[in-house]
Amino acid sequence: GENVEQHPSTLSVQEGDSAVIKCTYSDSASNYFPWYKQELGKRPQLIIDIRSNVGEKKDQRIAVTLNKTAKHFSLHITETQPEDSAVYFCAALNKEYGNKLVFGAGTILRVKS
Amino acid sequence: GAVVSQHPSRVICKSGTSVKIECRSLDFQATTMFWYRQFPKQSLMLMATSNEGSKATYEQGVEKDKFLINHASLTLSTLTVTSAHPEDSSFYICSARDLAGGNTDTQYFGPGTRLTVL
Repeated sequence: GENVEQHPSTLSVQEGDSAVIKCTYSDSASNYFPWYKQELGKRPQLIIDIRSNVGEKKDQRIAVTLNKTAKHFSLHITETQPEDSAVYFCAALNKEYGNKLVFGAGTILRVKS
Repeated sequence: GAVVSQHPSRVICKSGTSVKIECRSLDFQATTMFWYRQFPKQSLMLMATSNEGSKATYEQGVEKDKFLINHASLTLSTLTVTSAHPEDSSFYICSARDLAGGNTDTQYFGPGTRLTVL
């Protein structure tokens, strides 16, 4: 089955700096890669996603890049703000396995003001 | 659009009792819902896939007789934790896909249910 690894486990940045979180996946058949933001005690919120037929996607301060050959994808947050502090999860979806999402272990992002 | 609700948000029960958690898709129909468990400072682990009108499919290591899932309508799935024990204390989250929406792969999550078993 699919295995998703996520790094780093914690990330501290100064307000205004950029943050990058990286994930790798194992199954080349996975074709959908969402990123979720979860605040303490709350539900995961989708912030951006990318499909395997696209190499990059951007939405304001957030961007995701995908390298299918290397089987890794990354989340980029620019001009970080204190409200960006949360846990971020990457995930991979494989339609051959019942459309199940496999999540990475998560990254705690702290933006220091 | 694509709102998922869960009830209750928090529940405290005694060891040995059963607890039912409801997951509802409020503005769309969901033939498939997913149930996750999240322990403190850990990731979301898929427990089972709930299929409307048929049996749920459970992930390896999840006891189907302990975690009963019923998906009787296109907007409601329930998870019953039977004979709960302290080790079942966790954050239970459901999700659903809006197959009629523009992005059929996206899973929308409920707000979660914090279960504490004393």
